[in-house]
Amino acid sequence: SQQGEEDPQALSIQEGENATMNCSYKTSINNLQWYRQNSGRGLVHLILIRSNEREKHSGRLRVTLDTSKKSSSLLITASRAADTASYFCATSFSGGYQKVTFGTGTKLQVIP
Amino acid sequence: EPEVTQTPSHQVTQMGQEVILRCVPISNHLYFYWYRQILGQKVEFLVSFYNNEISEKSEIFDDQFSVERPDGSNFTLKIRSTKLEDSAMYFCASSVGPGGYNEQFFGPGTRLTVL
Repeated sequence: SQQGEEDPQALSIQEGENATMNCSYKTSINNLQWYRQNSGRGLVHLILIRSNEREKHSGRLRVTLDTSKKSSSLLITASRAADTASYFCATSFSGGYQKVTFGTGTKLQVIP
Repeated sequence: EPEVTQTPSHQVTQMGQEVILRCVPISNHLYFYWYRQILGQKVEFLVSFYNNEISEKSEIFDDQFSVERPDGSNFTLKIRSTKLEDSAMYFCASSVGPGGYNEQFFGPGTRLTVL
């Protein structure tokens, strides 16, 4: 299986602090995406990083990708209570085309 | 902003019954997907659909499942004879290009409860 495994499974921080979530995967990928899911709701796309990219920024989000270690990290800076959600990485593997495989997720709680 | 919509938001059915979950993807998208998420577990890929045919499917998507794009706007998932283990949140998604290379836009989901 080439699914992503997020680490940690749960993270609780104070508002204003930074939150870092990690994702590891097993096989070569085309791209890696990060999604957010608020409790009981649909998934919201955050950022896509291609296999030939190392770092990408979007607002308060910073994503890194290390293909040699088969890992990615998502950093949320200056967290807000509204960032409370589950965060998933999703990978599309080399040879795949449409399917993305979601990881197990990190449940982030930001305490006001 | 365009969005993917799904109906119903919650469906309760008896084991063995057929259910149809409906989705309206974003109008200019060409690729359509169904995922499911059993409570407390990860999101699992079921099937992708492009050019009026299934392009990829997972081992979960067995003969009990089928998908259809009956007209230019709807995309449906049918479960022929529901089982207790089919209880889950079902998400529809769509994308402009192939999902492995493009952002997939997800609907709010349909919660299916099989009794």
